[in-house]
Amino acid sequence: GQNIDQPTEMTATEGAIVQINCTYQTSGFNGLFWYQQHAGEAPTFLSYNVLDGLEEKGRFSSFLSRSKGYSYLLLKELQMKDSASYLCAVRYGPATDSWGKLQFGAGTQVVVTP
Amino acid sequence: DAGVTQSPTHLIKTRGQHVTLRCSPISGHKSVSWYQQVLGQGPQFIFQYYEKEERGRGNFPDRFSARQFPNYSSELNVNALLLGDSALYLCASSLGTGGSETQYFGPGTRLLVL
Repeated sequence: GQNIDQPTEMTATEGAIVQINCTYQTSGFNGLFWYQQHAGEAPTFLSYNVLDGLEEKGRFSSFLSRSKGYSYLLLKELQMKDSASYLCAVRYGPATDSWGKLQFGAGTQVVVTP
Repeated sequence: DAGVTQSPTHLIKTRGQHVTLRCSPISGHKSVSWYQQVLGQGPQFIFQYYEKEERGRGNFPDRFSARQFPNYSSELNVNALLLGDSALYLCASSLGTGGSETQYFGPGTRLLVL
């Protein structure tokens, strides 16, 4: 299988910035997604990267380096409502046995404190 | 427009029983994927269907089966339930199965096996 690794938990204060890293196996890579999941709820889509570089969407940005098998999600101006689990998910291409499905990391629990 | 809907929202079963979970995709979406999420872990891929055909299967036993109907809704069936099947079952829909296709998740069905 293709391991998706991300930290288990991160804590930051309101108004601060937090960067969540994600590493994955590069062979057959075909796109990377970030989802936010509040406790007891379904994951909601945040961002998609398939080319190297930074994608910015308001307070959230996502970066990808395909050669390094590395991505990060940057959360700026943290708010209490940002306390949630952040899931990194990778799609692998048709030459792999993971074609079509999303391979998820275990999630990073972000705790925002006052 | 309505998002992905799933039923039931919660379910309690006993070991050995059978369960059927249902999912209706976003209007216009032709692909449905099923995931199992155990507490503290990321979602694990079970099945993907597109245009009523199975396009991918995860590493789950044959007790798990699914199908997609002409209206693109889908059912996930689990036979001979085990305690370890207790989890949140998520359905995700997408327009198709291409690499850039974003999967949008429903609220999930929380299954408890006693």
